[in-house]
Amino acid sequence: EVQLVESGGGLVQPGGSLRLSCLASGFTFDVYDMHWVRQAPGKGLEWVSGVGGRSGRTFYAPSVKGRFTISRDTVTNTLFLQVVSLRAEDSAVYYCARGAGSGSYPLEYWGRGTLVTVSS
Amino acid sequence: SYVLTQPPSVSVDPGRTATITCGANNIKIKSVHWYHQRSGQAPVMVIYYDTTRPSGIPERFSASKSDNVATLTISRVEAGDEGDYYCQVWEADGDRFWMFGGGTKLTVL
Repeated sequence: EVQLVESGGGLVQPGGSLRLSCLASGFTFDVYDMHWVRQAPGKGLEWVSGVGGRSGRTFYAPSVKGRFTISRDTVTNTLFLQVVSLRAEDSAVYYCARGAGSGSYPLEYWGRGTLVTVSS
Repeated sequence: SYVLTQPPSVSVDPGRTATITCGANNIKIKSVHWYHQRSGQAPVMVIYYDTTRPSGIPERFSASKSDNVATLTISRVEAGDEGDYYCQVWEADGDRFWMFGGGTKLTVL
């Protein structure tokens, strides 16, 4: 059974940093693309970043490029999102999602999310 | 940039058919995926590659596509179908993006 469990969210001041984690299980981690998708309170889904399963290539939405860094540990099957220079508009639930393959695939499985609140 | 446009809300009586649209320029050449998100829960994929239902998704869910509009159809709507529905495509526009529509809130009356 595929499981994705996010952690690392919390309350952080503007300009601060966090590292979000997503522990994956139930599948071969380095075969599938992995993604972060966020959802601000009362708003829609916004794709944030992805890492290619086989290539390890990374992708970012323009709104976070240069501030967020996606990475993965294929030994511990953990996906990370390092977020710096946080702004109020980064406040959201951050979901970890697995692609249906490696490439331009849909997001087949999702975790329950971790909440990031940026506020002074 | 490529924009996916969904109606903010759709209302339907139980047992009737709900139709949710996703409009975009020349969407016929894109692969469209659909997700359902119940209140307070994570999204669930309900349609992928335009018309395919994942295992466990009822046959009541179907989808189609024309030149500029993708459509999700839910037949014999039930209370459990309520929530937000999002369309999504992959757009290689300088970089790769997994793009979502703004979402449609389905209310079962």
